[in-house]
Amino acid sequence: DQQVKQNSPSLSVQEGRISILNCDYTNSMFDYFLWYKKYPAEGPTFLISISSIKDKNEDGRFTVFLNKSAKHLSLHIVPSQPGDSAVYFCAASAEPGANSKLTFGKGITLSVRP
Amino acid sequence: DAGITQSPRHKVTETGTPVTLRCHQTENHRYMYWYRQDPGHGLRLIHYSYGVKDTDKGEVSDGYSVSRSKTEDFLLTLESATSSQTSVYFCAISPTGQGDQPQHFGDGTRLSIL
Repeated sequence: DQQVKQNSPSLSVQEGRISILNCDYTNSMFDYFLWYKKYPAEGPTFLISISSIKDKNEDGRFTVFLNKSAKHLSLHIVPSQPGDSAVYFCAASAEPGANSKLTFGKGITLSVRP
Repeated sequence: DAGITQSPRHKVTETGTPVTLRCHQTENHRYMYWYRQDPGHGLRLIHYSYGVKDTDKGEVSDGYSVSRSKTEDFLLTLESATSSQTSVYFCAISPTGQGDQPQHFGDGTRLSIL
């Protein structure tokens, strides 16, 4: 049973345009959400996160939106750059204390065309 | 970048042989994790450690064991490797293990079992 779903395996956008990466979850106990970016032959790197008490978090070109009622979050990248081409993983955690574990989606491959 | 070193980076071995992967960190973080990444599955937690000699199972722990005799080292062992354990293995670390603290990842070990 997949608790974090990234239903679109890939996305292609033009340089300078907006990239919108979507993530859905089923576990209503999830209270913290993170996005990771992964280049080939490297480990995932943390990008941005959001707590369930917020509906938006922004960091430079990256903004994450959370819709708790819909159990949906999205990552917006504006403007998209060729260096943003990577696999993006959505992750969620349900335990506020220690020993919290992350549940990851399958990932979305973003390609930004020059 | 977080000081995480995984070794070896690549390994090819035969079915039935034992395999040990090493994760070494220089951040003195309490929590360490082992994940595997497979096409169509994202990252899945194998085992994690919340201190020296303190470990627990993750989502896909069957066929794997771990040990942590020092804060800086977390070993993952496949006692008798099977072809289904061909994967890319990532180590991650966290200072507190809490859900609102991002985990930081190493660059992975690509393991092929023939």
